[in-house]
Amino acid sequence: DTAVSQTPKYLVTQMGNDKSIKCEQNLGHDTMYWYKQDSKKFLKIMFSYNNKELIINETVPNRFSPKSPDKAHLNLHINSLELGDSAVYFCASSLGQGGRNGYTFGSGTRLTVV
Amino acid sequence: DAKTTQPNSMESNEEEPVHLPCNHSTISGTDYIHWYRQLPSQGPEYVIHGLTSNVNNRMASLAIAEDRKSSTLILHRATLRDAAVYYCILDNYGQNFVFGPGTRLSVLP
Repeated sequence: DTAVSQTPKYLVTQMGNDKSIKCEQNLGHDTMYWYKQDSKKFLKIMFSYNNKELIINETVPNRFSPKSPDKAHLNLHINSLELGDSAVYFCASSLGQGGRNGYTFGSGTRLTVV
Repeated sequence: DAKTTQPNSMESNEEEPVHLPCNHSTISGTDYIHWYRQLPSQGPEYVIHGLTSNVNNRMASLAIAEDRKSSTLILHRATLRDAAVYYCILDNYGQNFVFGPGTRLSVLP
């Protein structure tokens, strides 16, 4: 049973399209996150949700919007995709804010914008 | 952006201990020190974390310097499955949680 699962694993799409990446965790964690890993392998936090409230919103374009229907899900919706959005996106979860107990990551979604 | 510095790469022989260093001279009093590792095409995997005292778990040990400006991840007996990129990260309630380039560990049979 996968603890943090993301779909799809690979996503190839054209510029200007709108796409969503889904994430689900079955760990009973109360905080979920989205991270972006660029071509240089730097992985940076984008968003986190705790009890359905956005608690961190880094300086990401407003074309990116996290949506959390419940504590176990945090989806990432991206509007008007650009070439620079190509990266690997990781979902993660933790018990409590800030990963005091460590983060559990999904296996990533490789987004390629052409 | 990363607030830690690590060697780009290290090598170890199988079954030998590995000491992976990390410098974090600007660490604040509330920063936890986290270690994660990442295999190709996989998400980061939690290894260990600590605040001030040394920590042990089934995967590794974390030795934290008294002034907290550096730490060392210790793998007691490296196996081929331990070959990965190891990241040392400072975490302050999830703010500015950034993975740097990490240390690529190669394990030789």
